[in-house]
Amino acid sequence: ETGVTQTPRHLVMGMTNKKSLKCEQHLGHNAMYWYKQSAKKPLELMFVYSLEERVENNSVPSRFSPECPNSSHLFLHLHTLQPEDSALYLCASSQDSTEVAHNEQFFGPGTRLTVL
Amino acid sequence: GQNIDQPTEMTATEGAIVQINCTYQTSGFNGLFWYQQHAGEAPTFLSYNVLDGLEEKGRFSSFLSRSKGYSYLLLKELQMKDSASYLCAVADSNYQLIWGAGTKLIIKP
Repeated sequence: ETGVTQTPRHLVMGMTNKKSLKCEQHLGHNAMYWYKQSAKKPLELMFVYSLEERVENNSVPSRFSPECPNSSHLFLHLHTLQPEDSALYLCASSQDSTEVAHNEQFFGPGTRLTVL
Repeated sequence: GQNIDQPTEMTATEGAIVQINCTYQTSGFNGLFWYQQHAGEAPTFLSYNVLDGLEEKGRFSSFLSRSKGYSYLLLKELQMKDSASYLCAVADSNYQLIWGAGTKLIIKP
């Protein structure tokens, strides 16, 4: 247990569906992250929130919409996804997101997403 | 561009030693991380290096040479549970982590 939980663990959806991924951290951290992990590819950073404000958006398509209502919760809203969006979506948290070198990230178990 | 290179897959024998290399080219450097990820599980932190040299932590050690843009993770007395992917990541000038694709380590009896 890393102190970061994600639900659901597995999700299958059609291209016209709308779904949401949820992440919760119990570590008292100030920063939260969404990553996409595809087979044999580097982790792709999608979004970074620090103190509930988005500080990083790495040119992610608008069909992915993040929401951070407080420092413990992070959502990723999905709509009209494409089959190539099928991947493992990881949430992580850290003490802070900026100007902190040794800023270990704690990861959740991920949501395995399949888009049909 | 920014780039992290590490071997895709390695195989080693239980009880042996294995070294996993990582080379990087990034805009700035604020430290290098190693994470372990078992299949179907979350990545977990193993080590952090920001100064040149070797950091030892039990059976695992991590080495850094900033002038060469190079690091390695050394695993001793390998156990079957060490079968996992090992991810190398560098914090760039903006403290953003740049990730390698990971090295899948297979341990054979």
